Amino acid sequence: GNSVTQMEGPVTLSEEAFLTINCTYTATGYPSLFWYVQYPGEGLQLLLKATKADDKGSNKGFEATYRKETTSFHLEKGSVQVSDSAVYFCAFARGAQKLVFGQGTRLTINP
Amino acid sequence: KAGVTQTPRYLIKTRGQQVTLSCSPISGHRSVSWYQQTPGQGLQFLFEYFSETQRNKGNFPGRFSGRQFSNSRSEMNVSTLELGDSALYLCASSLGGTGRPDTQYFGPGTRLTVL
Repeated sequence: GNSVTQMEGPVTLSEEAFLTINCTYTATGYPSLFWYVQYPGEGLQLLLKATKADDKGSNKGFEATYRKETTSFHLEKGSVQVSDSAVYFCAFARGAQKLVFGQGTRLTINP
Repeated sequence: KAGVTQTPRYLIKTRGQQVTLSCSPISGHRSVSWYQQTPGQGLQFLFEYFSETQRNKGNFPGRFSGRQFSNSRSEMNVSTLELGDSALYLCASSLGGTGRPDTQYFGPGTRLTVL
């Protein structure tokens, strides 16, 4: 069935470290892919998205590339900051306003 | 432009009661979706409304229902509350009329606690 598998957390890094959070999906066809971020006590905010194969979404230094051949959408950032500490969710949607989410990855950045 | 608003932000109910949650979408957005977030099950899709009609539905029992008004505001109702209904309920709005998945913008959520 349709699902998203994310790298298990929690992930703890030092400030300025390189970040990768892995995400793979199982879905038929060509879904749109999303990364959302949830800061403590808040709702979800869209971080970036990609709607077709080989598209790269980017925002606030974060990037992710839609890889159809590996059904992946890994999130990367070259130099993380303390303010990036949050829970990150990978998600997809196909032909409908119905997001299927991964389980979330809690990221903590230490100064 | 104002974001998605949800009321109330916090609710405490007892088992067997019913509850109604409200969501006001971003101006101009016609699609409203609801999600349940729990530590055990994560984020799960409840249903989506577009132009006052339920367009998509997730795998939740009939105790969970919703509706949308002509101004696109939406309400979600849970009847005969169970302890397992304790969760953060998130509402998201989007334009919704393109036939492809639009970006959904989320509200801050309503935290429901069932005692």
